[in-house]
Amino acid sequence: AQSVTQLDSHVSVSEGTPVLLRCNYSSSYSPSLFWYVQHPNKGLQLLLKYTSAATLVKGINGFEAEFKKSETSFHLTKPSAHMSDAAEYFCVVSDLAAGNKLTFGGGTRVLVKP
Amino acid sequence: GAGVSQSPRYKVAKRGQDVALRCDPISGHVSLFWYQQALGQGPEFLTYFQNEAQLDKSGLPSDRFFAERPEGSVSTLKIQRTQQEDSAVYLCASSYSGGGGAKNEQFFGPGTRLTVL
Repeated sequence: AQSVTQLDSHVSVSEGTPVLLRCNYSSSYSPSLFWYVQHPNKGLQLLLKYTSAATLVKGINGFEAEFKKSETSFHLTKPSAHMSDAAEYFCVVSDLAAGNKLTFGGGTRVLVKP
Repeated sequence: GAGVSQSPRYKVAKRGQDVALRCDPISGHVSLFWYQQALGQGPEFLTYFQNEAQLDKSGLPSDRFFAERPEGSVSTLKIQRTQQEDSAVYLCASSYSGGGGAKNEQFFGPGTRLTVL
């Protein structure tokens, strides 16, 4: 069975400072990992995905994530937060044992202070 | 280019009523997924179609939940005799082809917010 744990339910940062959202996963096989963002009243948008190629993955809007198999982690970072980054972020895992379904973490709500 | 659309965007039902939620996937997308997102939680998988075939319905919480995709395009999620615990946002997603893995990105619709009174 696969699972995802997002270690922080809320993160508050000041505009212009780094953002770190932590994610640990559990998977029976080599997983595919994703980060999605959800703005209020909008659909989920894919930020980036890990496809078993490069362990450092770059996504949209300056976000990136590093896959660390030894730590079963896939933390999301951004060097400098912008006000528009305020949203809910979900770490997601999918693996062959689970077919096509995505398993979401509980989400991290990001607040950006001016 | 049209994305995934869902209707209605908001639905209020009295306990015991039946509801039907519609999903229009991206044209040409083979795979279609339904997820349920309770307030303050991450989405949870309900069911999956490849064309008109329902390949996985392991996430449907009870036999009151039923989904169909008769022509391999539009899908309807039906909930019979709604209960308060059914209140959630119901998300639909589609992907270009079947098979798992990161190559088959799922594109999400805006969701239908169901409130059961």
